[in-house]
Amino acid sequence: AQKVTQAQTEISVVEKEDVTLDCVYETRDTTYYLFWYKQPPSGELVFLIRRNSFDEQNEISGRYSWNFQKSTSSFNFTITASQVVDSAVYFCALSEGRRGTYKYIFGTGTRLKVLA
Amino acid sequence: DTGVSQDPRHKITKRGQNVTFRCDPISEHNRLYWYRQTLGQGPEFLTYFQNEAQLEKSRLLSDRFSAERPKGSFSTLEIQRTEQGDSAMYLCASSSPGRSSGNTIYFGEGSWLTVV
Repeated sequence: AQKVTQAQTEISVVEKEDVTLDCVYETRDTTYYLFWYKQPPSGELVFLIRRNSFDEQNEISGRYSWNFQKSTSSFNFTITASQVVDSAVYFCALSEGRRGTYKYIFGTGTRLKVLA
Repeated sequence: DTGVSQDPRHKITKRGQNVTFRCDPISEHNRLYWYRQTLGQGPEFLTYFQNEAQLEKSRLLSDRFSAERPKGSFSTLEIQRTEQGDSAMYLCASSSPGRSSGNTIYFGEGSWLTVV
């Protein structure tokens, strides 16, 4: 069965601190995709990044970086020099690449509070 | 570029009433999805359309729920005889079929339903 675990329910940091959000996944598929989405108070899920199971290169986009490790089934997300605007709920998600796009399995989310 | 739009954004209804939500996907996206999100949880898959064809329904979608996408463009999600347990945010999403999309789906801002 597929499963995504985000063990951190809520994290509070002071502005400019670095913060890492953890994501551990389970799947028996060899082909799959991993995602991170941001959900601000407005409710919309904003796509941040996609990774396929064959690409273990880490990625950096501005203050955001992602560490994908198949050996530990983890796909962690780091925000460097956090800002108040980063406050939101962040979701990690998994989808089967073989069967198509429709079924995302989401974690329960991590609420990030960045304090000024 | 217009994103996924949903209407209404908020709906309060009495138990037993019917409600309908509308979703307009990103133009040129032929795939459309409905997810449901309750407080403190990640979104859960409900159903999926490719053009006008409804290809899969989750077991979460009881017979009181019906979704349509009559012309392969906008979609409606109707809930009949609402129950308090239906209170949730209903998220619509869409995606394009190309390989380059990599299973990425783009969400709307959601429709909040409160059943009193």
